[in-house]
Amino acid sequence: NAGVTQTPKFQVLKTGQSMTLQCAQDMNHNSMYWYRQDPGMGLRLIYYSASEGTTDKGEVPNGYNVSRLNKREFSLRLESAAPSQTSVYFCASNIAGNYGYTFGSGTRLTVV
Amino acid sequence: KNEVEQSPQNLTAQEGEFITINCSYSVGISALHWLQQHPGGGIVSLFMLSSGKKKHGRLIATINIQEKHSSLHITASHPRDSAVYICAVEINNDMRFGAGTRLTVKP
Repeated sequence: NAGVTQTPKFQVLKTGQSMTLQCAQDMNHNSMYWYRQDPGMGLRLIYYSASEGTTDKGEVPNGYNVSRLNKREFSLRLESAAPSQTSVYFCASNIAGNYGYTFGSGTRLTVV
Repeated sequence: KNEVEQSPQNLTAQEGEFITINCSYSVGISALHWLQQHPGGGIVSLFMLSSGKKKHGRLIATINIQEKHSSLHITASHPRDSAVYICAVEINNDMRFGAGTRLTVKP
């Protein structure tokens, strides 16, 4: 099915461990985004990529790195996980212009 | 203060009622989105608006650019409409999100 695929769906990490969240879209979208969602707060942008080969910081980039590997894939890396990074992470994509966004199903990350 | 404010935070309705969820924002925007987040967590884009009104089935979204306000209406609500509804505004290459309105429709 066409859409945005995120892996893994669930992950538990120990403080200090590293991991990479994977995101892939098959809709030929130019722009891709990583958001985190915390209880009682709106989604907040971590990083985005307006096109292949470019990435920019969003509202809450500290502690994260990203890679836009190709047009389809946009990964989010936590180099040294902290309990404050416990959250639900969503990847999204869209075509720049008057179109809506497509979201992945989310990754629930717990850092203990 | 959040740039995007939604009201109410929680809303409980009886099946068949007309529902209104409000969104106010404080900055200049290029577009406004309404999203639906299901109890399982998935997020679906409902509407993208830059002016006027859009309708899809029982859902209607309106925006007043001058007043920096948007509303999402659900007619003839149904228990399957129970979800969190999120308003988001586009500012340049960024989107800022409201905290969401949790809607519960009881049979």
